[in-house]
Amino acid sequence: NAGVTQTPKFQVLKTGQSMTLQCAQDMNHEYMSWYRQDPGMGLRLIHYSVGAGITDQGEVPNGYNVSRSTTEDFPLRLLSAAPSQTSVYFCASTARGGMNTGELFFGEGSRLTVL
Amino acid sequence: AQKITQTQPGMFVQEKEAVTLDCTYDTSDPSYGLFWYKQPSSGEMIFLIYQGSYDQQNATEGRYSLNFQKARKSANLVISASQLGDSAMYFCAMRAGYSSASKIIFGSGTRLSIRP
Repeated sequence: NAGVTQTPKFQVLKTGQSMTLQCAQDMNHEYMSWYRQDPGMGLRLIHYSVGAGITDQGEVPNGYNVSRSTTEDFPLRLLSAAPSQTSVYFCASTARGGMNTGELFFGEGSRLTVL
Repeated sequence: AQKITQTQPGMFVQEKEAVTLDCTYDTSDPSYGLFWYKQPSSGEMIFLIYQGSYDQQNATEGRYSLNFQKARKSANLVISASQLGDSAMYFCAMRAGYSSASKIIFGSGTRLSIRP
């Protein structure tokens, strides 16, 4: 009963360092997405994927890369971290089609601080 | 382009009163879905309720109902008989279109505080 699993939960980086936030889901969901949450800004969509091998940009994609080699995994890469990327990151997934409403299932979040 | 707007940054409500959280949306797609999520201080995102653009009746889930006014492009969340545990951030979200490629975007949220 894992659902959506994000790692790490906390990370501190120095400016210019790179890192990958991992996201895995075990619900066979086609759709996966990454959001960032800043105070007073709500959740903003970074990148999303509608299936293995297919990704697309969201509202705030700059500074982030993603790939989707399997249905289960959707990692988010920061190539050169900047203080502006300090935020809480959420991975979410959902099933599409049929009777599904498309509600998102969220991971617990990853708090990233860039110094 | 699609857009979600929540104009109430914060609200205070007395316990047991009903509360309405506002949400307006904009999309040119005739098929869309609207969602409300709750985020308590612990940080997890909790799905509350869903409304499809073609649904004839307003969605209800227990104490939550969605006041869907299509012509006004509004999808307000109504919480009846509020409880202390309802204190949280509330987010409205929209998926424009029903294709597998439709992305989901969120509003900026409303912080609801319930007074005892």
